[in-house]
Amino acid sequence: DTEVTQTPKHLVMGMTNKKSLKCEQHMGHRAMYWYKQKAKKPPELMFVYSYEKLSINESVPSRFSPECPNSSLLNLHLHALQPEDSALYLCASSRGTGGWNTEAFFGQGTRLTVV
Amino acid sequence: GENVEQHPSTLSVQEGDSAVIKCTYSDSASNYFPWYKQELGKGPQLIIDIRSNVGEKKDQRIAVTLNKTAKHFSLHITETQPEDSAVYFCAASTSFGSNYQLIWGAGTKLIIKP
Repeated sequence: DTEVTQTPKHLVMGMTNKKSLKCEQHMGHRAMYWYKQKAKKPPELMFVYSYEKLSINESVPSRFSPECPNSSLLNLHLHALQPEDSALYLCASSRGTGGWNTEAFFGQGTRLTVV
Repeated sequence: GENVEQHPSTLSVQEGDSAVIKCTYSDSASNYFPWYKQELGKGPQLIIDIRSNVGEKKDQRIAVTLNKTAKHFSLHITETQPEDSAVYFCAASTSFGSNYQLIWGAGTKLIIKP
């Protein structure tokens, strides 16, 4: 099973709302990632968790707040977003973050629209 | 830092013909090179990858070649079918301190003409 499950598939939120994106994997992977993807662009790395600890934060604004409750779950809490934050948010996981362990499997994404 | 360039940005081929997408990378320490296929409205799907100790890898109609000296790698799809239509991304794994990250190419939109 190489499945990464993301919920919800679609989300529309106002700029004053608070919402959360969820991601789950049961492959025993110890690294999990959040990416943001704009139309016709490659995914952009936002955060990396390795062994449930935040190891990389690519200078993401504080209105995005990641959380890794356990090795199978990854959340992204959203608050006070701007319309330009509208994008496809992708979760991925890999065995680890070292060298050849970066074989990453992606979920189907959450299509986020900020109004 | 690592930079990955991908060409062409759009590729249109007749069904049944072959398609080739090329990528170059700048960091000679990069050691892992995956290819992802992304269909409209879906997440990227890993279709094939190659590690730096191998020059070529095949999986049915898909193959990847790696030239470490020239720092380029290519995706080859033979006997293309309509379901091969998608955006394809190459990537290279490079180190940032104690972590490795994937650096992505800009993507190639592959169109298979019936």
